Amino acid sequence: SQKIEQNSEALNIQEGKTATLTCNYTNYSPAYLQWYRQDPGRGPVFLLLIRENEKEKRKERLKVTFDTTLKQSLFHITASQPADSATYLCALISSGSARQLTFGSGTQLTVLP
Amino acid sequence: DAGVIQSPRHEVTEMGQEVTLRCKPISGHNSLFWYRQTMMRGLELLIYFNNNVPIDDSGMPEDRFSAKMPNASFSTLKIQPSEPRDSAVYFCASRPTGATNEQFFGPGTRLTVL
Repeated sequence: SQKIEQNSEALNIQEGKTATLTCNYTNYSPAYLQWYRQDPGRGPVFLLLIRENEKEKRKERLKVTFDTTLKQSLFHITASQPADSATYLCALISSGSARQLTFGSGTQLTVLP
Repeated sequence: DAGVIQSPRHEVTEMGQEVTLRCKPISGHNSLFWYRQTMMRGLELLIYFNNNVPIDDSGMPEDRFSAKMPNASFSTLKIQPSEPRDSAVYFCASRPTGATNEQFFGPGTRLTVL
């Protein structure tokens, strides 16, 4: 069956360090992979998209990698700040699907001052 | 633009009652999605509309759930009769045409069925 797994439900890191979140998938052939941020009491907010033929994508302090051989995406936040504390969700769109997203369960990141 | 608008923001009802959740997508977006989020199951797609037409409702849990999109600026999700296990946060999202597939989420409706 299809499955999307995100590493450990919660991740705590010290301010200034790099946070690395993992998204693994099985039985998917994703055309795109997206990362969203969700704050308590709010809807998810889009951060980055990476296509299957792209290895890496950057946006300010954010970096996403996509390895279709390993079936894994890594999401990095460099020079992390307490304001980066939130839940981060990965989402896949499979090739040939009706372009709807399937979300992972999310990783709750806490950046400690 | 005000973003995706959902109402009500909170709903508390008793088992067996009818619940109607409302969504106004961002103007010009041609796709609309209803999701349900719980701690146990995460964010699940319930139904997806494209140009007001339901494309995929395979995520709708059972016949108690129904969704409509009578026009490009309004959609409803109805639960009748509601049950305690329907308690969750329900999100509406809209998406413009284009290849990026970025979805814009509303603030959600927190539903509690007693």
